[in-house]
Amino acid sequence: NAGVMQNPRHLVRRRGQEARLRCSPMKGHSHVYWYRQLPEEGLKFMVYLQKENIIDESGMPKERFSAEFPKEGPSILRIQQVVRGDSAAYFCASSPPGYFPDTQYFGPGTRLTVL
Amino acid sequence: AQTVTQSQPEMSVQEAETVTLSCTYDTSESDYYLFWYKQPPSRQMILVIRQEAYKQQNATENRFSVNFQKAAKSFSLKISDSQLGDAAMYFCARGSDKLIFGTGTRLQVFP
Repeated sequence: NAGVMQNPRHLVRRRGQEARLRCSPMKGHSHVYWYRQLPEEGLKFMVYLQKENIIDESGMPKERFSAEFPKEGPSILRIQQVVRGDSAAYFCASSPPGYFPDTQYFGPGTRLTVL
Repeated sequence: AQTVTQSQPEMSVQEAETVTLSCTYDTSESDYYLFWYKQPPSRQMILVIRQEAYKQQNATENRFSVNFQKAAKSFSLKISDSQLGDAAMYFCARGSDKLIFGTGTRLQVFP
C-alpha cells in the first residue's frame, strides 16, 4: 500500500511566479491536510480538506494561497506570486474516513525555494 | 491559546540507554489524540506512537512508550535501549483534525 505521495520533492521558483504542490493521499484515505515547516521550526497547520470540500482553512494566509481536493486527482496547494518568505517545506498528510479524524500519515514533503 | 510545549531543545543519550522527552499541552477539548512524530535528516515525518485521550492506559510500541498524565496535560516519550537510528528531531503533537505541533527536541545518540 503506497504511502502519501507528494510531488515535486523540490521546487525552485523566482519571486512573482506560481508554485503548485501536489499530494496524493494513501489509498482509501479521504481526509487531506497541509502543513508548512519553516527552517528550525515545527509544523504549522494550513488547511484541512475532504473531497471537494474545504473543512478548515484557519491556518491559510488570506492572500495568494489556495488549496483544493477535487473529486478526481490529487490535492493541490497553490501559491501565487511567491515571495522569499514562502520558502519552506510543505507537508501533506492524509487520514482515513470517519466522523472523528484518525491518525495522520505524512508524505515526504515538498521543499520550496524562492529565489 | 491551544499550545504544545517541548521544553528540551536538545537531548543526548548513550546507545542502549534510556531517554525521556517531555511534552506538555493545553486544550479545552475532551476528545483528542496525542502523537509523537520523528523527523530524521531526510525530513520525512514518521509516526512513532499515538495516545487517545480517553484511554488511561499508556501506549507502547516496542522500545517506545509514553507517560500520559491527562490532568497535568503531560505526554512524555520514553525511548528504551536507544539505537543510533533513533537520532532525529522528535515532535509532540495534539489534535483531533488539525494537529498542533511543538517546536521539537533534537535527540543525539552517542555510541
